Amino acid sequence: DTGVSQNPRHKITKRGQNVTFRCDPISEHNRLYWYRQTLGQGPEFLTYFQNEAQLEKSRLLSDRFSAERPKGSFSTLEIQRTEQGDSAMYLCASSPPPPQRDRGNEQFFGPGTRLTVL
Amino acid sequence: AQSVTQLGSHVSVSEGALVLLRCNYSSSVPPYLFWYVQYPNQGLQLLLKYTSAATLVKGINGFEAEFKKSETSFHLTKPSAHMSDAAEYFCAVSSAFSGGYNKLIFGAGTRLAVHP
Repeated sequence: DTGVSQNPRHKITKRGQNVTFRCDPISEHNRLYWYRQTLGQGPEFLTYFQNEAQLEKSRLLSDRFSAERPKGSFSTLEIQRTEQGDSAMYLCASSPPPPQRDRGNEQFFGPGTRLTVL
Repeated sequence: AQSVTQLGSHVSVSEGALVLLRCNYSSSVPPYLFWYVQYPNQGLQLLLKYTSAATLVKGINGFEAEFKKSETSFHLTKPSAHMSDAAEYFCAVSSAFSGGYNKLIFGAGTRLAVHP
Protein backbone atom coordinates (compact mmCIF):
# COMPACT_ATOMS: atom_id res chain seq x y z
CA ASP A 1 0.00 0.00 0.00
CA THR A 2 1.56 3.31 -1.04
CA GLY A 3 -0.96 5.65 0.58
CA VAL A 4 -0.59 7.87 3.62
CA SER A 5 -0.17 5.85 6.79
CA GLN A 6 -0.69 6.92 10.39
CA ASN A 7 0.24 5.25 13.64
CA PRO A 8 -1.17 4.39 16.01
CA ARG A 9 -4.72 4.11 14.72
CA HIS A 10 -6.13 4.42 18.22
CA LYS A 11 -4.70 5.89 21.40
CA ILE A 12 -6.31 5.97 24.81
CA THR A 13 -4.52 8.00 27.44
CA LYS A 14 -5.14 9.56 30.81
CA ARG A 15 -5.40 13.29 31.23
CA GLY A 16 -2.02 14.86 31.76
CA GLN A 17 -0.05 12.29 29.79
CA ASN A 18 1.94 13.06 26.66
CA VAL A 19 1.16 11.37 23.35
CA THR A 20 2.89 11.29 19.98
CA PHE A 21 1.42 10.39 16.61
CA ARG A 22 3.27 9.56 13.43
CA CYS A 23 2.37 10.21 9.80
CA ASP A 24 4.15 8.73 6.80
CA PRO A 25 3.14 10.58 3.63
CA ILE A 26 3.24 9.27 0.09
CA SER A 27 6.93 9.14 -0.73
CA GLU A 28 7.14 11.77 -3.47
CA HIS A 29 4.87 14.26 -1.68
CA ASN A 30 6.70 17.22 -0.17
CA ARG A 31 3.60 18.87 1.27
CA LEU A 32 2.15 17.57 4.53
CA TYR A 33 -0.89 18.75 6.48
CA TRP A 34 -2.34 17.90 9.90
CA TYR A 35 -6.05 18.29 10.59
CA ARG A 36 -8.20 17.60 13.65
CA GLN A 37 -11.71 16.22 13.43
CA THR A 38 -14.03 16.24 16.42
CA LEU A 39 -17.27 14.31 16.61
CA GLY A 40 -19.90 15.67 14.25
CA GLN A 41 -17.57 18.20 12.66
CA GLY A 42 -15.47 18.45 9.57
CA PRO A 43 -11.68 18.39 9.74
CA GLU A 44 -10.02 21.60 10.89
CA PHE A 45 -6.57 22.64 9.73
CA LEU A 46 -3.79 22.45 12.33
CA THR A 47 -0.47 22.87 10.57
CA TYR A 48 1.38 22.60 7.27
CA PHE A 49 4.88 21.47 6.28
CA GLN A 50 6.64 22.01 3.01
CA ASN A 51 9.56 19.60 3.09
CA GLU A 52 10.96 20.02 6.63
CA ALA A 53 9.77 23.60 7.11
CA GLN A 54 6.65 24.25 9.17
CA LEU A 55 5.08 27.15 7.29
CA GLU A 56 1.79 27.65 9.10
CA LYS A 57 0.27 26.82 12.48
CA SER A 58 -3.39 27.28 13.26
CA ARG A 59 -4.49 29.09 16.38
CA LEU A 60 -6.04 25.74 17.31
CA LEU A 61 -2.52 24.50 17.96
CA SER A 62 -1.86 25.56 21.52
CA ASP A 63 1.57 25.58 23.15
CA ARG A 64 0.95 21.99 24.26
CA PHE A 65 1.05 20.86 20.64
CA SER A 66 4.22 20.49 18.61
CA ALA A 67 4.76 19.04 15.17
CA GLU A 68 7.94 18.14 13.39
CA ARG A 69 8.98 16.80 10.04
CA PRO A 70 12.69 16.03 10.24
CA LYS A 71 14.35 15.45 6.88
CA GLY A 72 11.11 16.25 5.10
CA SER A 73 9.80 12.71 5.25
CA PHE A 74 7.57 11.44 8.08
CA SER A 75 5.98 13.82 10.54
CA THR A 76 5.15 13.59 14.24
CA LEU A 77 2.51 15.43 16.22
CA GLU A 78 3.02 15.55 19.98
CA ILE A 79 0.49 16.66 22.55
CA GLN A 80 1.81 17.38 26.02
CA ARG A 81 -0.29 17.30 29.18
CA THR A 82 -3.34 16.02 27.34
CA GLU A 83 -6.78 17.33 28.23
CA GLN A 84 -10.18 15.76 27.63
CA GLY A 85 -10.84 18.41 25.00
CA ASP A 86 -7.99 16.97 22.95
CA SER A 87 -10.05 13.86 22.23
CA ALA A 88 -10.50 13.79 18.47
CA MET A 89 -9.43 12.16 15.24
CA TYR A 90 -6.09 13.51 14.04
CA LEU A 91 -5.75 13.31 10.27
CA CYS A 92 -2.65 13.67 8.18
CA ALA A 93 -2.70 14.50 4.48
CA SER A 94 -0.02 14.91 1.85
CA SER A 95 0.14 16.35 -1.63
CA PRO A 96 2.73 16.57 -4.36
CA PRO A 97 4.27 19.86 -5.47
CA PRO A 98 1.87 21.40 -7.99
CA PRO A 99 3.21 22.08 -11.46
CA GLN A 100 2.16 25.67 -11.00
CA ARG A 101 0.24 27.77 -8.53
CA ASP A 102 -2.66 25.36 -8.32
CA ARG A 103 -5.13 25.63 -5.48
CA GLY A 104 -6.88 22.56 -6.85
CA ASN A 105 -4.05 20.30 -5.77
CA GLU A 106 -5.55 17.16 -4.25
CA GLN A 107 -4.66 16.20 -0.70
CA PHE A 108 -4.42 12.50 0.08
CA PHE A 109 -5.57 11.60 3.56
CA GLY A 110 -4.42 8.90 5.92
CA PRO A 111 -6.81 6.81 8.05
CA GLY A 112 -6.29 9.02 11.09
CA THR A 113 -5.36 8.47 14.72
CA ARG A 114 -8.29 8.49 17.12
CA LEU A 115 -7.28 9.92 20.50
CA THR A 116 -9.36 9.38 23.60
CA VAL A 117 -8.34 11.23 26.74
CA LEU A 118 -9.87 9.84 29.92
CA ALA B 1 -12.03 34.46 4.05
CA GLN B 2 -13.48 31.15 2.99
CA SER B 3 -16.22 29.04 4.58
CA VAL B 4 -18.51 26.15 3.74
CA THR B 5 -22.03 25.36 4.89
CA GLN B 6 -23.55 21.93 4.40
CA LEU B 7 -27.30 21.93 4.78
CA GLY B 8 -28.56 18.83 6.53
CA SER B 9 -26.34 16.88 8.87
CA HIS B 10 -28.24 13.68 8.06
CA VAL B 11 -29.84 12.61 4.80
CA SER B 12 -31.69 9.33 4.33
CA VAL B 13 -32.68 7.90 0.95
CA SER B 14 -33.99 4.65 -0.39
CA GLU B 15 -31.77 2.44 -2.49
CA GLY B 16 -32.17 3.52 -6.12
CA ALA B 17 -33.37 7.02 -5.23
CA LEU B 18 -31.69 10.30 -6.11
CA VAL B 19 -28.98 11.51 -3.76
CA LEU B 20 -28.68 15.28 -3.22
CA LEU B 21 -26.23 16.67 -0.70
CA ARG B 22 -26.13 20.43 -0.40
CA CYS B 23 -23.09 22.67 -0.08
CA ASN B 24 -22.87 26.45 -0.11
CA TYR B 25 -19.60 28.29 0.04
CA SER B 26 -18.22 31.73 0.76
CA SER B 27 -14.92 32.75 -0.76
CA SER B 28 -13.04 35.99 -1.22
CA VAL B 29 -11.19 34.55 -4.20
CA PRO B 30 -12.43 32.38 -7.07
CA PRO B 31 -13.26 29.16 -5.26
CA TYR B 32 -11.73 25.76 -5.74
CA LEU B 33 -14.20 23.24 -4.31
CA PHE B 34 -13.96 19.62 -3.29
CA TRP B 35 -16.20 16.78 -2.15
CA TYR B 36 -14.65 14.10 0.03
CA VAL B 37 -16.24 10.90 1.37
CA GLN B 38 -15.35 9.23 4.66
CA TYR B 39 -16.28 5.65 5.43
CA PRO B 40 -16.27 4.46 9.05
CA ASN B 41 -12.79 4.26 10.55
CA GLN B 42 -11.17 5.43 7.33
CA GLY B 43 -9.61 8.61 6.06
CA LEU B 44 -11.13 10.97 3.52
CA GLN B 45 -11.26 10.03 -0.14
CA LEU B 46 -11.66 12.60 -2.90
CA LEU B 47 -14.88 12.22 -4.88
CA LEU B 48 -14.47 15.18 -7.21
CA LYS B 49 -13.19 18.73 -7.44
CA TYR B 50 -14.00 21.97 -9.22
CA THR B 51 -11.03 24.05 -10.34
CA SER B 52 -12.61 26.69 -12.61
CA ALA B 53 -12.96 24.50 -15.70
CA ALA B 54 -16.31 22.87 -16.52
CA THR B 55 -19.06 23.78 -14.07
CA LEU B 56 -20.46 20.24 -14.10
CA VAL B 57 -17.89 17.97 -12.54
CA LYS B 58 -18.04 14.19 -12.67
CA GLY B 59 -16.39 12.14 -9.99
CA ILE B 60 -15.96 8.58 -8.87
CA ASN B 61 -18.72 6.12 -8.01
CA GLY B 62 -21.27 7.90 -10.23
CA PHE B 63 -21.29 11.17 -8.28
CA GLU B 64 -21.30 14.58 -9.88
CA ALA B 65 -21.56 18.17 -8.71
CA GLU B 66 -22.49 21.43 -10.37
CA PHE B 67 -20.81 24.73 -9.57
CA LYS B 68 -23.30 27.60 -9.56
CA LYS B 69 -21.60 30.92 -8.96
CA SER B 70 -24.86 32.89 -8.76
CA GLU B 71 -26.07 30.63 -5.95
CA THR B 72 -22.62 30.09 -4.38
CA SER B 73 -23.44 26.40 -4.39
CA PHE B 74 -21.70 23.14 -5.21
CA HIS B 75 -24.30 20.44 -4.55
CA LEU B 76 -23.41 16.77 -4.90
CA THR B 77 -25.76 14.40 -6.70
CA LYS B 78 -26.05 10.78 -7.72
CA PRO B 79 -28.98 9.53 -9.80
CA SER B 80 -29.40 6.22 -8.03
CA ALA B 81 -28.22 5.49 -4.50
CA HIS B 82 -26.51 2.24 -3.63
CA MET B 83 -26.19 0.72 -0.20
CA SER B 84 -22.41 1.16 -0.43
CA ASP B 85 -22.88 4.96 -0.66
CA ALA B 86 -23.71 5.12 3.04
CA ALA B 87 -20.95 7.29 4.51
CA GLU B 88 -20.14 10.81 5.64
CA TYR B 89 -19.64 13.41 2.94
CA PHE B 90 -17.65 16.61 3.32
CA CYS B 91 -17.60 19.66 1.12
CA ALA B 92 -14.45 21.77 1.26
CA VAL B 93 -13.13 24.98 -0.21
CA SER B 94 -9.47 25.67 -0.84
CA SER B 95 -8.03 28.63 0.99
CA ALA B 96 -6.59 31.53 -0.87
CA PHE B 97 -3.28 30.48 -2.32
CA SER B 98 -0.37 31.84 -0.35
CA GLY B 99 3.11 30.65 0.29
CA GLY B 100 2.80 28.04 -2.41
CA TYR B 101 0.18 25.84 -0.77
CA ASN B 102 -3.51 25.61 0.01
CA LYS B 103 -5.31 24.36 3.09
CA LEU B 104 -8.80 22.95 2.97
CA ILE B 105 -11.71 24.46 4.86
CA PHE B 106 -14.37 21.84 5.46
CA GLY B 107 -18.06 21.91 6.13
CA ALA B 108 -19.50 20.02 9.09
CA GLY B 109 -20.39 17.03 6.94
CA THR B 110 -23.55 15.20 5.91
CA ARG B 111 -24.14 11.62 6.95
CA LEU B 112 -25.89 9.71 4.18
CA ALA B 113 -27.97 6.68 5.10
CA VAL B 114 -29.30 4.36 2.39
CA HIS B 115 -32.10 1.98 3.26
CA PRO B 116 -33.49 -0.91 1.24
